[in-house]
This record gives sequence, C-alpha cells and structure tokens, in this order.
Amino acid sequence: GENVEQHPSTLSVQEGDSAVIKCTYSDSASNYFPWYKQELGKRPQLIIDIRSNVGEKKDQRIAVTLNKTAKHFSLHITETQPEDSAVYFCAATYYGNNRLAFGKGNQVVVIP
Amino acid sequence: DTAVSQTPKYLVTQMGNDKSIKCEQNLGHDTMYWYKQDSKKFLKIMFSYNNKELIINETVPNRFSPKSPDKAHLNLHINSLELGDSAVYFCASSREGWDYGYTFGSGTRLTVV
Repeated sequence: GENVEQHPSTLSVQEGDSAVIKCTYSDSASNYFPWYKQELGKRPQLIIDIRSNVGEKKDQRIAVTLNKTAKHFSLHITETQPEDSAVYFCAATYYGNNRLAFGKGNQVVVIP
Repeated sequence: DTAVSQTPKYLVTQMGNDKSIKCEQNLGHDTMYWYKQDSKKFLKIMFSYNNKELIINETVPNRFSPKSPDKAHLNLHINSLELGDSAVYFCASSREGWDYGYTFGSGTRLTVV
C-alpha cells in the first residue's frame, strides 16, 4: 500500500518568514495529494490539494508543488502568522483506491 | 449547521465497559470513515463505509464494531474497553471517488481509566 513520509517532524519559523514541509510517497500510481491543517484540539481541515496533472497550485499564502518524477510534494506557507501554528498532514491516494494514506504530521510553530 | 457531527465530544470510562460514538453528516456524502488519532497525532484509518456498505476494515480488534444505518450515519461501538483504546476518534466523510477531500468531525476524546 501507499506509504507517505513527512519531513521535518517539527518546524519553527519566525513570524513573517516562509515555511516549507515536504512529503514523499511510495506508490507511483498516486495522483491526488491533499494537505490538512489541525490546530490544537481541533479537527483536521483540508487547506489545499493538488492532482497529478498539475505541478503547482496556490491559494493566497499557501501553495503546493508536486514533483512526480521524484515522488514528492511540498506545502509552502509564505508570510507566516501565529495562526499558522498547527500540525500539518499530507496525504496521497490514487484512482480506484478507497482511502487516503496520511503522513505522520508536521508541527509548525510560528514565533511572534 | 455542523457538516459532520460526533457525539459525545468527551468520553471517560472504566476498563471493561462498552461504549458507542455516533456520527452524522449532512453533506450528502456517500462515504464515511472512522480514524483513530493517538497521542503522537498519527491518523490511522479504522473503517470505511460507502452507501452503508463496509469497504475498508483495517486490522482493528473485533471489539470495535461499526454500524451504518444509512449513508448519513456511521456509529462505532467498542466492547470491553482497554487502556490502549484511549485516543481521539474522528469520523469523516467524502464524496464518492478517489480525489475528494475529507470533511472531519470534531472528534471524540476517549479516555479509558
């Protein structure tokens, strides 16, 4: 089955700086890659996703890039703010599969 | 209007007891899931139902039994609770298909003492 790994496990950034979280996946058939944000004590929420027919997608301060050859995808947060502090999960799946394979999560801490 | 609602939000119970968690979604989604999140925040799938039919049953002790009376509801019953069952349990739903994101419920924090 699909195996998704996230690096680094914890990331601390100064407010205003950028944060990048990278995920690698094992199954070359995977073609849908969502990112979820989970604030402390809250539910995971979908913040952005990308399908394998595009290489990059942006939504305001967040963007996701996909490198299918290297089998990795990354979440980029620019101009970080304290409310960006959370655990971020990447996930992957493919056509015909019934489940998302989640990474173990990255704790992002934005230092004011 | 909560899209995916779970009850109860907190559950504290003694070892050996039986308990249930309920989940309801009003999004018209066809697929519902149960995930377990342990203290290290790892999200592990337990079960998935599509239109009331079980489609994923991970390696979960048979003390855990899901039940879907209709496609808007997915409940989880746990028999003979053990200390290791303590975790946050999330219900989620999605549209049928492989490339739709999940909507998670607010979670049920289960503590077994």
